[in-house]
Amino acid sequence: GEDVEQSLFLSVREGDSSVINCTYTDSSSTYLYWYKQEPGAGLQLLTYIFSNMDMKQDQRLTVLLNKKDKHLSLRIADTQTGDSAIYFCAESIPDKLIFGTGTRLQVFP
Amino acid sequence: GAVVSQHPSRVICKSGTSVKIECRSLDFQATTMFWYRQFPKQSLMLMATSNEGSKATYEQGVEKDKFLINHASLTLSTLTVTSAHPEDSSFYICSARVAGDFTQYFGPGTRLTVL
Repeated sequence: GEDVEQSLFLSVREGDSSVINCTYTDSSSTYLYWYKQEPGAGLQLLTYIFSNMDMKQDQRLTVLLNKKDKHLSLRIADTQTGDSAIYFCAESIPDKLIFGTGTRLQVFP
Repeated sequence: GAVVSQHPSRVICKSGTSVKIECRSLDFQATTMFWYRQFPKQSLMLMATSNEGSKATYEQGVEKDKFLINHASLTLSTLTVTSAHPEDSSFYICSARVAGDFTQYFGPGTRLTVL
């Protein structure tokens, strides 16, 4: 079945690193995504990783994929208050995206 | 690039009326568009997938006669909520993608409130 889970809440101090975790169940995923949603807004694509990759780095963002354990993580280096938002992971099962439950990241000074 | 717009951003209507929401891809041609629904503090639930020029494919449990989807061109899809009821109040988000690309680009969402 299709099930994507995330922890609901993460609180970090400004300047620290944030790590948001995601587990999924469908091994046929082709791409895995991280989206950011600010209050009352749509989803902003942050980054994605192809299922045959282990790691992808894009400026402050690092995505790690453990395909064996079906575990995906997003690390945000030097977290800023502007990073406060809800972060969704999503797996692409060819024709559609299955979203995780979302992790609310709160950054405090 | 890859900008998707939605109109309106917010709508309030009376119970029993119909509401149309537009989704446009501004700088690319979207062969496929998706409509999602998001309840407060919850994740996105896929309602339907629409391909340009063909009928939409609805997810299980979504009433196709209530949520009418039209994808008449490569840059426009519309979602019409017919005979809206208060339980239809939600945040509706569309996304679009190009043929051969798995990535979906999302619109800013439409907040529907049915009184």
